[in-house]
Amino acid sequence: NAGVTQTPKFQVLKTGQSMTLQCAQDMNHNSMYWYRQDPGMGLRLIYYSASEGTTDKGEVPNGYNVSRLNKREFSLRLESAAPSQTSVYFCASSRDREKGYTFGSGTRLTVV
Amino acid sequence: QKEVEQNSGPLSVPEGAIASLNCTYSDRGSQSFFWYRQYSGKSPELIMFIYSNGDKEDGRFTAQLNKASQYVSLLIRDSQPSDSATYLCAVNLGSEKLVFGKGTKLTVNP
Repeated sequence: NAGVTQTPKFQVLKTGQSMTLQCAQDMNHNSMYWYRQDPGMGLRLIYYSASEGTTDKGEVPNGYNVSRLNKREFSLRLESAAPSQTSVYFCASSRDREKGYTFGSGTRLTVV
Repeated sequence: QKEVEQNSGPLSVPEGAIASLNCTYSDRGSQSFFWYRQYSGKSPELIMFIYSNGDKEDGRFTAQLNKASQYVSLLIRDSQPSDSATYLCAVNLGSEKLVFGKGTKLTVNP
């Protein structure tokens, strides 16, 4: 049982480059989330999807776009990477709000 | 702004002692509360959740909730060096989203 799988685990981008972070879950969860984690800032919600076909902005959505491709997959796209987007990105999923989240292993992104 | 506050620490306790981690939240409408453990370089892992006022025990862990005081805590009894990690408090605000505190770093000294 893989849980939540994120790819890639590490990535270095140059300023202005684009990339997509992939996330897939095999737990039949309805809700999926993208967070970023920075030292001293904690986990901050970028975007979330409460169900297939819906997406909503979180606390820090600027510079990002998302796609809920199907119930399993939720991708995060950086169209034009900036050094301020250097962070660790976590994808998470949940069956319902009573049960908390299951997190993926994270993507460590550096933008130079 | 709905907030979750934690003492950033670091909190240092000797092996075998009780570690007490605290969290306050700003929204009285909050309905469910979670504690996550995060080892350095790893992803957060759910260790406890609590919905009702009072205590909830799971092995060496006890979560305590006081909704009137908007306060949730985590006690770790018989602390072990393997408990050394950052502990994140998270609060559900009645929607699908969790708001996380910035975490408290715990070190258990052998």
